[in-house]
Amino acid sequence: GENVEQHPSTLSVQEGDSAVIKCTYSDSASNYFPWYKQELGKRPQLIIDIRSNVGEKKDQRIAVTLNKTAKHFSLHITETQPEDSAVYFCAAKGKEGSQGNLIFGKGTKLSVKP
Amino acid sequence: DAGVIQSPRHEVTEMGQEVTLRCKPISGHNSLFWYRQTMMRGLELLIYFNNNVPIDDSGMPEDRFSAKMPNASFSTLKIQPSEPRDSAVYFCASSPRSAGGRTGELFFGEGSRLTVL
Repeated sequence: GENVEQHPSTLSVQEGDSAVIKCTYSDSASNYFPWYKQELGKRPQLIIDIRSNVGEKKDQRIAVTLNKTAKHFSLHITETQPEDSAVYFCAAKGKEGSQGNLIFGKGTKLSVKP
Repeated sequence: DAGVIQSPRHEVTEMGQEVTLRCKPISGHNSLFWYRQTMMRGLELLIYFNNNVPIDDSGMPEDRFSAKMPNASFSTLKIQPSEPRDSAVYFCASSPRSAGGRTGELFFGEGSRLTVL
């Protein structure tokens, strides 16, 4: 089955700096890769996702890149702000049309220092 | 829509007691998921349903855990008997099935924080 590794487990940056979180997956058939943000005591919420037919997707200060050959994908946050502080989870899912489930990474706790 | 609704939000019980967690998915969503979150193991999928039918329960840790979805608007996760190691936050999530069968976004509930003493 799918296995998702996420690094680093904690990340501390200064406000205004960039943050990068990396994930690797094991199943080459996986083709959907969402990222979820979980603020302290809250529910996880989708912030961006990418499918295997594209290599990069951007939404304002957030971007995700995907390298299918190497089986890794990354989340990039530019111009970080204190409200970006949260736990970020990557996930991978099997091929379209299947009822395969989302496998989550262990999470990265991002702290943005003002 | 009020989103995914879970109850109770907090549950404190003693070892050996039965625990029932409840979930109301977003109307129109046809997939429902139960996740368990702990510091050590992160977000683990316990079981998921599609159109009220359990598809994959391989994540259910033991026979003490059971889940049902009697209709499209209600699901339960039951632990009997409960043990201290079951202490965690249990999330229910639902997802729509978009045109062409593509994967939909997971919408999580607020979670049920379970403490087993």
